[in-house]
Amino acid sequence: AQTVTQSQPEMSVQEAETVTLSCTYDTSENNYYLFWYKQPPSRQMILVIRQEAYKQQNATENRFSVNFQKAAKSFSLKISDSQLGDTAMYFCAFMKHDAGGTSYGKLTFGQGTILTVHP
Amino acid sequence: EPEVTQTPSHQVTQMGQEVILRCVPISNHLYFYWYRQILGQKVEFLVSFYNNEISEKSEIFDDQFSVERPDGSNFTLKIRSTKLEDSAMYFCASSDEGMNTEAFFGQGTRLTVV
Repeated sequence: AQTVTQSQPEMSVQEAETVTLSCTYDTSENNYYLFWYKQPPSRQMILVIRQEAYKQQNATENRFSVNFQKAAKSFSLKISDSQLGDTAMYFCAFMKHDAGGTSYGKLTFGQGTILTVHP
Repeated sequence: EPEVTQTPSHQVTQMGQEVILRCVPISNHLYFYWYRQILGQKVEFLVSFYNNEISEKSEIFDDQFSVERPDGSNFTLKIRSTKLEDSAMYFCASSDEGMNTEAFFGQGTRLTVV
């Protein structure tokens, strides 16, 4: 079984600054994806960024980037130039897949980190 | 942009009553899921559904729970006899088949058992 741990229940950042959210995971699987999901106050979860575990290159999506350390089983999210709209709960999540890359769909989530961006 | 929709947004029910939570997944998706989030806790997987049958379920998904895709568009979660501890936000999700599959989530149904 997999576990995902987010050790920061709450974080805050000033607008335009950079913030890093931490995530660690534990698994015996070799093939998996890691995700960061954003859950704004309206409560619909939205995918922010995805990392394939077999790729060494860290994923980047505009202002969002990850620091993926496979050996350490660490997957942090960096938000640059924070905006007020980034205020949300952020979930780190794990999904295993087969050797061909097809996933089984089940996500294992961390506890979440509430991020507040202050003007 | 296609999205997953859930109804109702909030449901209040008496303990022991049956509830049905409804979801309309994205139309060309093949995998369907239910997750729940008890207030202040992490999002937990309940069940996945593919090809008209359950493909995986968690230990939470006991005999009180069932899922159905009654008409090719809706995907429902039924709780037969609700308990106070079933109070939670329930999220439906759907995904396509294949590589790099992304799960799309609905906005959730808040179930309150009184």
